[in-house]
Amino acid sequence: GQQLNQSPQSMFIQEGEDVSMNCTSSSIFNTWLWYKQDPGEGPVLLIALYKAGELTSNGRLTAQFGITRKDSFLNISASIPSDVGIYFCAGLTGANSKLTFGKGITLSVRP
Amino acid sequence: DGGITQSPKYLFRKEGQNVTLSCEQNLNHDAMYWYRQDPGQGLRLIYYSHIVNDFQKGDIAEGYSVSREKKESFPLTVTSAQKNPTAFYLCASSIFGMGAVEQFFGPGTRLTVL
Repeated sequence: GQQLNQSPQSMFIQEGEDVSMNCTSSSIFNTWLWYKQDPGEGPVLLIALYKAGELTSNGRLTAQFGITRKDSFLNISASIPSDVGIYFCAGLTGANSKLTFGKGITLSVRP
Repeated sequence: DGGITQSPKYLFRKEGQNVTLSCEQNLNHDAMYWYRQDPGQGLRLIYYSHIVNDFQKGDIAEGYSVSREKKESFPLTVTSAQKNPTAFYLCASSIFGMGAVEQFFGPGTRLTVL
């Protein structure tokens, strides 16, 4: 089946640093979504990408839809303590709305 | 405010008992989903429904059942047949149709089976 790969499982950065995460697959996806999950809460949608090559920003977050349609990147600039959480990528291959999720990257920010 | 509610937040049950998790949305979304999340794992799809009175099995449906009698509600029953039911359960909803694929999640229910 389709799989989305996110690695490493955990990342540790200093407050104020930028961080980049990627999500890769051997399959082509038509839509990429990035979610953030705080401990004990449901994921919150950060950014949605619909076109290959698309670059979209949401505040300090920037995400890109890879040209090959097999990957996506999320960048967080000038990290702050509330950026701590699990970041999931999700992809959609068709119009049936069944998303494939990566396993997530746990981000820790040291003050 | 529009959103998705799940209740209760924490649920404890004895082994062998069925338990039903509630999910309600007032976003007027057509589609609703149930996911299971285990530590270090991504979200795994249990069941989904694109329209009232219709639902489909996801990737890990064994030991679970659902109903979709109303557009706003999609309860999940964890039956005694589910071998490892302790997990964090997430409900989501979306507009169903081309060009609208974002899923919005509820706050989750943590089920612990003793």
